Amino acid sequence: NAGVTQTPKFQVLKTGQSMTLQCAQDMNHEYMSWYRQDPGMGLRLIHYSVGAGITDQGEVPNGYNVSRSTTEDFPLRLLSAAPSQTSVYFCASSYSQRPDEKLFFGSGTQLSVL
Amino acid sequence: EDKVVQSPLSLVVHEGDTVTLNCSYEVTNFRSLLWYKQEKKAPTFLFMLTSSGIEKKSGRLSSILDKKELFSILNITATQTGDSAVYLCAVDKYNNNDMRFGAGTRLTVKP
Repeated sequence: NAGVTQTPKFQVLKTGQSMTLQCAQDMNHEYMSWYRQDPGMGLRLIHYSVGAGITDQGEVPNGYNVSRSTTEDFPLRLLSAAPSQTSVYFCASSYSQRPDEKLFFGSGTQLSVL
Repeated sequence: EDKVVQSPLSLVVHEGDTVTLNCSYEVTNFRSLLWYKQEKKAPTFLFMLTSSGIEKKSGRLSSILDKKELFSILNITATQTGDSAVYLCAVDKYNNNDMRFGAGTRLTVKP
């Protein structure tokens, strides 16, 4: 059972480059989200989706785009990377947004922007 | 502005010790408080608390919520080296899809 799969695990970019972080889940979860984790700041929500074709912004959406064309996949795009986007990124999913539904996290992507 | 504050930021104990981790919050439309354990990679779910005064327990871990004083504690008894991790507290809100996380408490358990 794969759960939530993120790729790549590590990435180094130069300022201004673009890239896509991939996230896929095989649990038929409707809710998917992207977080970034920075030292001393905990996890912060970037974007989320409550189902295919539906996305919305979280706490820190600037500089990131998302799309949800299928239930399984929720890629995160950095259009023009900046050093401030150096962080660890986590994708998460759950069956729904109900409070008793657990969030399942991917293993993270360590991104460095030089 | 919503806040979730965890203390201490880090803690070093020896095996067998009991530890108490704290999480205080100031959020509007509070729905539930969650605890996660994060080892090297992804956070894993521990507890969800919605009601005051009802202890949730799983093995050596337990947690309780005080909605009047706006805090929760996570207790770990008879700690083991495998308990070493970052423990994250998060608050879920009604009518809002943003789960707010605290910065975490890094627990190190020495043999």
